Amino acid sequence: KNQVEQSPQSLIILEGKNCTLQCNYTVSPFSNLRWYKQDTGRGPVSLTIMTFSENTKSNGRYTATLDADTKQSSLHITASQLSDSASYICVVSAQAAGNKLTFGGGTRVLVKP
Amino acid sequence: EAGVAQSPRYKIIEKRQSVAFWCNPISGHATLYWYQQILGQGPKLLIQFQNNGVVDDSQLPKDRFSAERLKGVDSTLKIQPAKLEDSAVYLCASSLGVPGDEQFFGPGTRLTVL
Repeated sequence: KNQVEQSPQSLIILEGKNCTLQCNYTVSPFSNLRWYKQDTGRGPVSLTIMTFSENTKSNGRYTATLDADTKQSSLHITASQLSDSASYICVVSAQAAGNKLTFGGGTRVLVKP
Repeated sequence: EAGVAQSPRYKIIEKRQSVAFWCNPISGHATLYWYQQILGQGPKLLIQFQNNGVVDDSQLPKDRFSAERLKGVDSTLKIQPAKLEDSAVYLCASSLGVPGDEQFFGPGTRLTVL
């Protein structure tokens, strides 16, 4: 069964600090992995996409890593800002008809001043 | 470029009542998805359309949920009758429909069933 597990479920960090979110998956056959940011009351927005051959991808202060061998990904937030307070969802796509996505439960990040 | 539009944004109903949600995808996107997102969880796919045909509705509770995309553009999702456990955010997403493409999400409709 395809699964995506994220940790921690939630975390609180002080503004300006860094943090790292984890994602483990068992989706097969693997197509790509995306990190989405979901602000409260909004739909998810894609931050990064990584395919099998990529192991690092950056988008501003967000850096995602992928280890396809261990089936792990991380999202690192550098110099956090109050606007980073959101849920971060790891989503893995399988190479199958319809490009089916498997969503993680998300990590809720709260940045405090 | 306009994003995915959804309405209403919020809906409060009593159990056993019916409710309908509307979604207008990004122009030119062939694939449309409806997701249910319970508070604190990731979205769960309810149904996926490719143009006006159903690709995957394996997780749609067909005894109470129905969806249509008659002209291959906008779509409606209906719940009849609603149960307390249907309280969730209903997200609509669309994509071009090619392998590996990005899904673009609407703002969602927050449903509360009392």
